[in-house]
Amino acid sequence: QSALTQPRSVSGSPGQSVTISCTGTSSDFGGYNYVSWYQHHPGKAPKFMIYDVSKRPSGVPDRFSGSKSGNTASLTISGLQAEDEADYYCCSYAGGNTFVFGGGTKLTVL
Amino acid sequence: QLQLQESGPGLVKPSETLSLRCTVSGDPISSSSSYWGWIRQPPGKGLEWIGNIYHSGSTFYNPSLKSRINISVDTSKNQFSLKLYSVTAADTAMYFCARLGDVVISFDYWGQGTLVTVSS
Repeated sequence: QSALTQPRSVSGSPGQSVTISCTGTSSDFGGYNYVSWYQHHPGKAPKFMIYDVSKRPSGVPDRFSGSKSGNTASLTISGLQAEDEADYYCCSYAGGNTFVFGGGTKLTVL
Repeated sequence: QLQLQESGPGLVKPSETLSLRCTVSGDPISSSSSYWGWIRQPPGKGLEWIGNIYHSGSTFYNPSLKSRINISVDTSKNQFSLKLYSVTAADTAMYFCARLGDVVISFDYWGQGTLVTVSS
């Protein structure tokens, strides 16, 4: 069970869109669509942003969207805002009651 | 409002046992249909799932750590705990506890984390 692969960093200017990819093997995703995304500002508790690949929990702006194609999941943030600058992690249910996280992506808002 | 709070020693010596506790408020573990989990983040690295526990005591562990960990639950105190045995410097990390939602298969509530350093 190795970590899902994410780009180390992405950046964008306010108002622009960025997409963060999360790539794994078919066993990493376990044949399920239980991919979630978390926003982490260092020193704070990670925040749950997306679940079941593309669903948003209550309170998460619709600027955040998720998708999955094959063995790559993606998080897209549109209309970038300064407060979006954070680390983002993907996570997948890998079957057998196990989970695997991505290595994390640092988003810089220029 | 559900809250989780990690507690435990911030410094552990190599080869010894790391012990952490997570106190849950706002959701009784004994009646919850959620699982409760531990996740860690080594310095400069990504998150790593450690394992989950149900209030019945059923546990599920990361295969890479399975031989060295034990997660337990104390429903009377609304707490669950992590023990990691025979630690090395590679176990230095921020350790988070979190709730795994029962309907939403995701970690929907997290603690702020506690830094554990393994050093002599």
